[in-house]
Amino acid sequence: EAQVTQNPRYLITVTGKKLTVTCSQNMNHEYMSWYRQDPGLGLRQIYYSMNVEVTDKGDVPEGYKVSRKEKRNFPLILESPSPNQTSLYFCASRLTGQGNYGYTFGSGTRLTVV
Amino acid sequence: AQSVTQPDIHITVSEGASLELRCNYSYGATPYLFWYVQSPGQGLQLLLKYFSGDTLVQGIKGFEAEFKRSQSSFNLRKPSVHWSDAAEYFCAVGSGTYKYIFGTGTRLKVLA
Repeated sequence: EAQVTQNPRYLITVTGKKLTVTCSQNMNHEYMSWYRQDPGLGLRQIYYSMNVEVTDKGDVPEGYKVSRKEKRNFPLILESPSPNQTSLYFCASRLTGQGNYGYTFGSGTRLTVV
Repeated sequence: AQSVTQPDIHITVSEGASLELRCNYSYGATPYLFWYVQSPGQGLQLLLKYFSGDTLVQGIKGFEAEFKRSQSSFNLRKPSVHWSDAAEYFCAVGSGTYKYIFGTGTRLKVLA
């Protein structure tokens, strides 16, 4: 089944404790992206990657890191989480090129930083 | 700069009634346009998409959307709503630079 898999689904952590949210896709998509969803703000892009070893900042990159060493994986790293990073996070992937390709989204990771 | 506006934060309809969710965009060229649905506790699922061609687009779950260039709108419609349609709906606009912008969402409540 074509899918984007995120882990964990739920995470409660303490301020300053490094964490990684994993994301993997099995569709050979070039483009991968991380979004955070907050009430009233919709989805905001954190980082994106257009292919292996190619990453760039989205609209709200502060406090986050990413890497793209393999095409299928795109982990999100919070090196020193803070309470304002409490949010619902989504990983998404899609094809690139001339077509209007929609995203396939993961099921989300609800992160609470206390 | 490109942007997406969903003017209605909440909409409530009765089961069996028709539905229209509004989406207005700002973009300098023909955009890629999308509607996604997010059921409670789930990720977003693509309902339909438009780039060119017929301005009335059919999607999954009985939804359709109409692109109106003169009004910069891409409204989502369904003739008869089912209780299972209760969810949050997001409009999105894309561009050739690969950046997709999402609206803030419209939460649909369906009354039995």
